[in-house]
Amino acid sequence: SQELEQSPQSLIVQEGKNLTINCTSSKTLYGLYWYKQKYGEGLIFLMMLQKGGEEKSHEKITAKLDEKKQQSSLHITASQPSHAGIYLCGADKGNTNAGKSTFGDGTTLTVKP
Amino acid sequence: SQTIHQWPATLVQPVGSPLSLECTVEGTSNPNLYWYRQAAGRGLQLLFYSVGIGQISSEVPQNLSASRPQDRQFILSSKKLLLSDSGFYLCAWSMGHLNSPLHFGNGTRLTVT
Repeated sequence: SQELEQSPQSLIVQEGKNLTINCTSSKTLYGLYWYKQKYGEGLIFLMMLQKGGEEKSHEKITAKLDEKKQQSSLHITASQPSHAGIYLCGADKGNTNAGKSTFGDGTTLTVKP
Repeated sequence: SQTIHQWPATLVQPVGSPLSLECTVEGTSNPNLYWYRQAAGRGLQLLFYSVGIGQISSEVPQNLSASRPQDRQFILSSKKLLLSDSGFYLCAWSMGHLNSPLHFGNGTRLTVT
């Protein structure tokens, strides 16, 4: 089965600093999703990447999928306290198991004002 | 727009008692529905998914069951709760095709005492 490994497990940054979270798969990714979760709440969908080399941005968050489609990174520019939370990557379990996702263990981000 | 409702938000139940968590989706037809469980500091584990009324697939053997009595209603149940059933339960929906993100409810924090 597909395993997703996220790093780092936790991250503490000063407000205004940039940061990167990585998500690595043991197999080719058919669809890679990034979600954000505030403690005790549901996950909010951020972005989806499908194609090798693809890059998407939303406000100050940029996600990339490498050419081999086995690693994705999430980059936050000029972090703010509102960026704090748990970031999880998720991926479809193969190209025939549509909608069933496997997830990384998450990266907990703390932004110090 | 689509919305997903999940309740209750928190629940404390004694060992051996029954369980019923409910989830409803509005604004879409024939969604795929999912129940995930999230352990502290870990990613999400898929418990059940459904592609239509009365169609339930179980991902892991356990003390829980799921039902889908209506197109946009998904219920997680147990006849007798175990201590190990404690956790954060999340309902989600998707369109079901490849590269279709999950949309989550706000979760239920279940504590079995």
